[in-house]
Amino acid sequence: EAGVTQFPSHSVIEKGQTVTLRCDPISGHDNLYWYRRVMGKEIKFLLHFVKESKQDESGMPNNRFLAERTGGTYSTLKVQPAELEDSGVYFCASSQGPRTGDTGELFFGEGSRLTVL
Amino acid sequence: AQSVTQLGSHVSVSEGALVLLRCNYSSSVPPYLFWYVQYPNQGLQLLLKYTTGATLVKGINGFEAEFKKSETSFHLTKPSAHMSDAAEYFCAGRGGSARQLTFGSGTQLTVLP
Repeated sequence: EAGVTQFPSHSVIEKGQTVTLRCDPISGHDNLYWYRRVMGKEIKFLLHFVKESKQDESGMPNNRFLAERTGGTYSTLKVQPAELEDSGVYFCASSQGPRTGDTGELFFGEGSRLTVL
Repeated sequence: AQSVTQLGSHVSVSEGALVLLRCNYSSSVPPYLFWYVQYPNQGLQLLLKYTTGATLVKGINGFEAEFKKSETSFHLTKPSAHMSDAAEYFCAGRGGSARQLTFGSGTQLTVLP
């Protein structure tokens, strides 16, 4: 079974440019999450999709970030325009739908490292 | 709100020595707690998790953790460190109906020969 895949693994862009990160969750997983780790700090929650709907986007830092999940499958996270403080590693994770006793174990991708110069 | 604190951003142990990575949580509801490991150039991999029931949880690669409610702790241990254990370890938790995880700041484990 394929795991969570993210693309690109590393992106270097200049301030003001646009970057789009993509995440393909594990097939059949309804829940998809985006997290970010900036400069060795803690991994912080950005948002949560249930299928194609945004369940919780309380962690999105500002309106320069736009996340979509087309048809409840893969997801994209666009940063436009990018700023220096957006540099970090963006992780995607997925989990199965809620059910009795579901612990919500998250399966993570390898992350997309974004460097904004 | 759930918060997770990892004590020590860097821990060094000798090969064969005990590994102890500390994690404390704060929550007003019974938590679900997790330890993840990240090896270089890889994603986060689940080591073990506590949900309900037995407070001593065994995970992969010889790691285990004990949920201590009285101390609000979930420390990770391994009796004998191996060179391959060198990685970054993250404690995470979620409480109540929350679906997302709250992470600690991570502990980089170095194993010395």
